[in-house]
Order: sequence, then C-alpha cells, then structure tokens
Amino acid sequence: GAGVSQTPSNKVTEKGKYVELRCDPISGHTALYWYRQSLGQGPEFLIYFQGTGAADDSGLPNDRFFAVRPEGSVSTLKIQRTERGDSAVYLCASSIRDSSPNEQFFGPGTRLTVL
Amino acid sequence: AQKITQTQPGMFVQEKEAVTLDCTYDTSDQSYGLFWYKQPSSGEMIFLIYQGSYDEQNATEGRYSLNFQKARKSANLVISASQLGDSAMYFCAMREGPNFGNEKLTFGTGTRLTIIP
Repeated sequence: GAGVSQTPSNKVTEKGKYVELRCDPISGHTALYWYRQSLGQGPEFLIYFQGTGAADDSGLPNDRFFAVRPEGSVSTLKIQRTERGDSAVYLCASSIRDSSPNEQFFGPGTRLTVL
Repeated sequence: AQKITQTQPGMFVQEKEAVTLDCTYDTSDQSYGLFWYKQPSSGEMIFLIYQGSYDEQNATEGRYSLNFQKARKSANLVISASQLGDSAMYFCAMREGPNFGNEKLTFGTGTRLTIIP
C-alpha cells in the first residue's frame, strides 16, 4: 500500500516568507508526528496529533510554527516569517496505534531552505 | 544530559562481517521503548527493530538483533552478515512512558555505517 507522502519534496524560500508543508499519512493511521532533522543530527520532535487534535506540541520551537490536521488525516505544518535557522528536512510520520511496537512510518521529508 | 547517546559517528565494516552499533539511553521511566531506524541516502527512515523495557528476551528481526542490557541502559544493534545495502545512517530512538501513550521519539545523533566490499 501507499506510504506516508510529503509535499513538496524541496522548498526554497526567502527569509521572512510564509511556507506550508503537507503530509499525507498512511490510510487508517490515527497518529501523526512532525519531526525536524538538521544536517548531521537525528530527527527532533515537533508535534504529535491523535486524530484531529494536537496531543503534544511541546517540540514546536516558537510561535512562528503551527500545525493543523482538520479532518484527522492530512496535516499541514505552517511556518511564518521564516528564518535561515529554519532550514532543515521536515519529516512526517504516522502510526496506527493498535498493537505493539506501534512503530512510526516515516515519509521522505521536505527539504526546506531559507535564503 | 543526552537522552540517547550514540558514540560512533562512523564505522567501516567488511562485507559479510557482523557489526555492533552502540546506543545508551537515559530515562527515569520504568516503561519505555527503544527503536532502531535506518536512513539510507534517499532520506527515508526505515524501522528495523524494537525492544520494550519489560521484554525479557532480546529482540531479533532477521539479520538484526538488539543487545538489551537494562542495568547498563544500553541497547546496541547487531547486524549479522553485513551486506553492501546496509550502508546507511542508523539511529537509535526512545519512547518514554507506556506504549499507546505519547509516542514521541527522542533520537540519537546517529552512526554512519559503510560496508566495504
């Protein structure tokens, strides 16, 4: 079946601009996660959705970052007033939460470059 | 303190040999889970193996096994009979708290494994 998909695969923007990154989870997966991976680092947690609601947004670095999942499926990560430090690969993952180990399935990521 | 520590930034291993990738973790939770993911150059994270804190036996999945030493808080990944396709970044990750709670993962900095033909 289809895996997690993310669009766009690459996004180049200018400092100060607004960007939206989209994630399509695996069909039927109720949990959705956003992570950010900077060069040479492991992924860093941003936010976790269970259904439509954000169950944990403790990883969002500041109020320029916001994410939604209005119908409990597709999610959009929104970044306002982008800064050069926001440049990273943004990874989305989903899980079904019905049996152990409840592993997360990751998408290919969106590489964001802020000039 | 780092929650997940991977002390080997890079490793080179001859094809067909076994390799151990180190991972130590830090948590005060009694219930937690440990995961290993592989990230090839394509960038996608691939789940390899899982060990729950209450699992008494070491996890195995094909050529992958997890050497879980709870008292030492280590969860090393062992890959047997390495293949060229095993060349990738490998990340150790931890979920703190019980399964089906908050499932956010904390990742280490990774180990880049290169298999030499």
